[in-house]
Amino acid sequence: QVQLVQSGAEVKKPGASVKVSCKASGYTFTSYGISWVRQAPGQGLEWMGWISAYNGNTNYAQKLQGRVTMTTDTSTSTAYMELRSLRSDDTAVYYCARLGWVATTTAPSDYWGQGTLVTVSS
Amino acid sequence: EIVLTQSPGTLSLSPGERATLSCRASQSVSSSYLAWYQQKPGQAPRLLIYGASSRATGIPDRFSGSGSGTDFTLTISRLEPEDFAVYYCQQYGRETFGGGTKVEIK
Repeated sequence: QVQLVQSGAEVKKPGASVKVSCKASGYTFTSYGISWVRQAPGQGLEWMGWISAYNGNTNYAQKLQGRVTMTTDTSTSTAYMELRSLRSDDTAVYYCARLGWVATTTAPSDYWGQGTLVTVSS
Repeated sequence: EIVLTQSPGTLSLSPGERATLSCRASQSVSSSYLAWYQQKPGQAPRLLIYGASSRATGIPDRFSGSGSGTDFTLTISRLEPEDFAVYYCQQYGRETFGGGTKVEIK
């Protein structure tokens, strides 16, 4: 069965960086894209970007351009999201999700990771 | 940038009642790229509907989606206790989420 397992909770100081991992199993990793979505406490869902695991293309939310990098390691079927220059308003649960159609990133997110809480606090 | 506005913000209903949730886009959206998700407290979102009206795998048929252009609707025909949650619409391709509708027990 398809599973996305994310790395554990992180506490970071303002200005630091965080790198969240998302290990996929149960499907051919390189056939699909991975999106990243975050949710601040008590707030709605915010799309952060996606990476195509088959060609490495990325698309980032404009507000995060320059601070976010998404990568994949196809040898371990793992996706990564790194966010730099952290601020307090980056405190959120970060989710990875599979983009559910083969070989396209224009797809709904059909399987989700369990979420990773990133807390930014001095 | 397309903005998705969901209404109402909160819907208070009883089990067995019908729920009608709205998602309005600031400009015309391809219905092929409109999805609905359900999120319960402490859980990741779950895909319910894609392509505006197609149910995702394993989703009960009491959930249905409809609409086109700028107006889309998620309908839950008869609310079950497990349906009380927050629902989000999304236009994938433009990567936008609506603000969510909370369906709570009246």
